[in-house]
Amino acid sequence: DGGITQSPKYLFRKEGQNVTLSCEQNLNHDAMYWYRQDPGQGLRLIYYSQIVNDFQKGDIAEGYSVSREKKESFPLTVTSAQKNPTAFYLCASSISVSNQPQHFGDGTRLSIL
Amino acid sequence: GQNIDQPTEMTATEGAIVQINCTYQTSGFNGLFWYQQHAGEAPTFLSYNVLDGLEEKGRFSSFLSRSKGYSYLLLKELQMKDSASYLCAVRVRGGATNKLIFGTGTLLAVQP
Repeated sequence: DGGITQSPKYLFRKEGQNVTLSCEQNLNHDAMYWYRQDPGQGLRLIYYSQIVNDFQKGDIAEGYSVSREKKESFPLTVTSAQKNPTAFYLCASSISVSNQPQHFGDGTRLSIL
Repeated sequence: GQNIDQPTEMTATEGAIVQINCTYQTSGFNGLFWYQQHAGEAPTFLSYNVLDGLEEKGRFSSFLSRSKGYSYLLLKELQMKDSASYLCAVRVRGGATNKLIFGTGTLLAVQP
């Protein structure tokens, strides 16, 4: 079945460490997105990519980095510069940025030890 | 700025009808989406409105009034499994791309 796979489901990070969240899709979608979800707040866009080898900052990109070397994959790195990384991270994809809806993965919950 | 408002929580009874409202103040409106999200899971797409009026899909309907900046999601014949958070998201134009802006979600509790 086609879909979006995020791994791992739970992730723990020590202070000062970088950590990478995986997102893979087999929907043949061009556009991919990363969101952060915190209690009492809506989903906030971190980064998005319209096509391979291209990505753009969203509303809260500071402390994060991404790459898009393959159409299927859009990993997110949470760097030590992100001061409040504990959150639920959601990856999404759509046929294009102009053609939605977006389809979401099951998310990764990141916690700081 | 861009702003979306939804009630934080609602409670309804199994078998009843519930209406979840969403008001928005955005520039470059280009459509409105409703998603359902169970705790700890992925949001799943429910409905999409870009023109004024009602869109019906089984037990779920969504209404849009662009002049009033208002939408609602109507859930009929409520079931216990409908207990979830319902997210309103507005698509706005941003140069060559579109962007989704999400509300904080409405947590619906369906009681027996």
